[in-house]
Amino acid sequence: GIQVEQSPPDLILQEGANSTLRCNFSDSVNNLQWFHQNPWGQLINLFYIPSGTKQNGRLSATTVATERYSLLYISSSQTTDSGVYFCAVEPDTDKLIFGTGTRLQVFP
Amino acid sequence: NAGVTQTPKFQVLKTGQSMTLQCAQDMNHNSMYWYRQDPGMGLRLIYYSASEGTTDKGEVPNGYNVSRLNKREFSLRLESAAPSQTSVYFCASSEARQGEYGYTFGSGTRLTVV
Repeated sequence: GIQVEQSPPDLILQEGANSTLRCNFSDSVNNLQWFHQNPWGQLINLFYIPSGTKQNGRLSATTVATERYSLLYISSSQTTDSGVYFCAVEPDTDKLIFGTGTRLQVFP
Repeated sequence: NAGVTQTPKFQVLKTGQSMTLQCAQDMNHNSMYWYRQDPGMGLRLIYYSASEGTTDKGEVPNGYNVSRLNKREFSLRLESAAPSQTSVYFCASSEARQGEYGYTFGSGTRLTVV
């Protein structure tokens, strides 16, 4: 089946720093999503981005489908950005497959 | 509040016991999912339902059954619980609107099998 790899596995930042999270996938996909899981376990859908670039406040994402990777940018990080960021891809309709995540800790 | 509601939030079972995890969504979404998350790992798809009356296996279906009772409700059943099923279970729903797919997750059920 499709492989979804995220890097780095762990990231520690000071408040105000910028970061880039990467997601590589091994086959073509119909759909790519980014999620944030907060320290209390709640999962929030950040972006639907099968290709191109989107921005939402301090977060932006870019997917280059032909090269099978996606990037999530976090600018001016805040402590509330802490948690785990997951990339998830859909190789077949309705089968969303998750990567293992990047754990982000932002300190004041 | 609109969203996905899971019950119970916590459960401890003995090996061999059975139980059903309940999930309901009030967003009129067609697609619903059950995932499990083990410590330090991503989510793995157990079963999904693309529409009322249909269900399909995901990555890790063994030991589980599901029922799509109606458009709102999608339940997950463990017939004979095993310690390997200790995990956090998430229900989700999704819908495509204006070309965008949005996913909404419930708050999870933490299950321990002893």
